[in-house]
Amino acid sequence: NAGVMQNPRHLVRRRGQEARLRCSPMKGHSHVYWYRQLPEEGLKFMVYLQKENIIDESGMPKERFSAEFPKEGPSILRIQQVVRGDSAAYFCASSPTGRWEKLFFGSGTQLSVL
Amino acid sequence: GESVGLHLPTLSVQEGDNSIINCAYSNSASDYFIWYKQESGKGPQFIIDIRSNMDKRQGQRVTVLLNKTVKHLSLQIAATQPGDSAVYFCAESDSGGSNYKLTFGKGTLLTVNP
Repeated sequence: NAGVMQNPRHLVRRRGQEARLRCSPMKGHSHVYWYRQLPEEGLKFMVYLQKENIIDESGMPKERFSAEFPKEGPSILRIQQVVRGDSAAYFCASSPTGRWEKLFFGSGTQLSVL
Repeated sequence: GESVGLHLPTLSVQEGDNSIINCAYSNSASDYFIWYKQESGKGPQFIIDIRSNMDKRQGQRVTVLLNKTVKHLSLQIAATQPGDSAVYFCAESDSGGSNYKLTFGKGTLLTVNP
């Protein structure tokens, strides 16, 4: 049973470009969460999705950021017109049934904006 | 414990010694706490959790202590091994009892000397 898979591991973008980060949850998990980690800081919650639904996006910036978890395929975190301040590690986590379950984290995508 | 500057607090121990990592939290409404271990280049790995109706919980080689009076959480690792070297984060849930909207501390770097 593979863990939470994220790709790419490293992503380099120039200012103004778009970044698309992918997350495939663990088998049998239908709840996905995205967190962002700045250097030497703890992770910060961004968004919680269930298949085809956004449950809680209170931690996600209103501008330029969006997330989806389609019926088929991985969850996507999309950042439009990236800026240097978007440089961070983005972690995805999944759980089987939602809010009362432990979260299992992927290895993250390190986004670097030049 | 929690860092207040740009650099992580560090704890250096000898292999076989016991380690104690501390964490202070500020939200008196938090009712769920978790310790995560994060190795370099990887996502956080669940270690142990505790709810606010308990003050102690034990796992394999690890114990979490919760003192709600002073809002303090600690992780004790018995017989520390080189494989325990990592950054340790405490996290709390502050969204009315759900487990996903975690607020992470800034982490403590544990180094185990052979």
